[in-house]
Amino acid sequence: EDKVVQSPLSLVVHEGDTVTLNCSYEVTNFRSLLWYKQEKKAPTFLFMLTSSGIEKKSGRLSSILDKKELFSILNITATQTGDSAIYLCALTNFGNEKLTFGTGTRLTIIP
Amino acid sequence: EAGVAQSPRYKIIEKRQSVAFWCNPISGHATLYWYQQILGQGPKLLIQFQNNGVVDDSQLPKDRFSAERLKGVDSTLKIQPAKLEDSAVYLCASSLDRNPLYEQYFGPGTRLTVT
Repeated sequence: EDKVVQSPLSLVVHEGDTVTLNCSYEVTNFRSLLWYKQEKKAPTFLFMLTSSGIEKKSGRLSSILDKKELFSILNITATQTGDSAIYLCALTNFGNEKLTFGTGTRLTIIP
Repeated sequence: EAGVAQSPRYKIIEKRQSVAFWCNPISGHATLYWYQQILGQGPKLLIQFQNNGVVDDSQLPKDRFSAERLKGVDSTLKIQPAKLEDSAVYLCASSLDRNPLYEQYFGPGTRLTVT
């Protein structure tokens, strides 16, 4: 069974700090790894990663995948209070079409 | 573009009662998903529809949960009878098609409390 482990479970930092969130996984026949931001209830899509070593970037957020060591990181630089949310990591494999989610990292940004 | 709509937003019921949730996906999206998110956990897929057919319901507790998407658009998820452990947020999502490379768009969810 596919497995996604996120760390830390929660993180509290001050505005302006840089944070790194981790996602490690075990999967048979890896297809993709995705990052979502969940504020209140609805997760919103951030990145989809399929290839090792290629950084995806959107503003202050960036992510990279290491398929050899089976992990991904999500970086947020110059954090703002609006970055406070739960960040979810999910993966898919070629055997089925569903997303398998980790438990998430709860990020709190203190002004 | 209108997003995924869900109702109700909140529901409180007693155990052994029944409850139904409604989802209207983004127009033109063929694939619809229902997820259960228990507090402190990530969403877990309950059922996936492609148009009006079921693709995956392997994690749906079929003794008490049922779902349908009769005309390939709106969907309902029902729980009968509810148990305390069903307390969770129920998220509906839709995507253009079933290929996982298509982004899933999530609705605001329904928070269910079973007392």
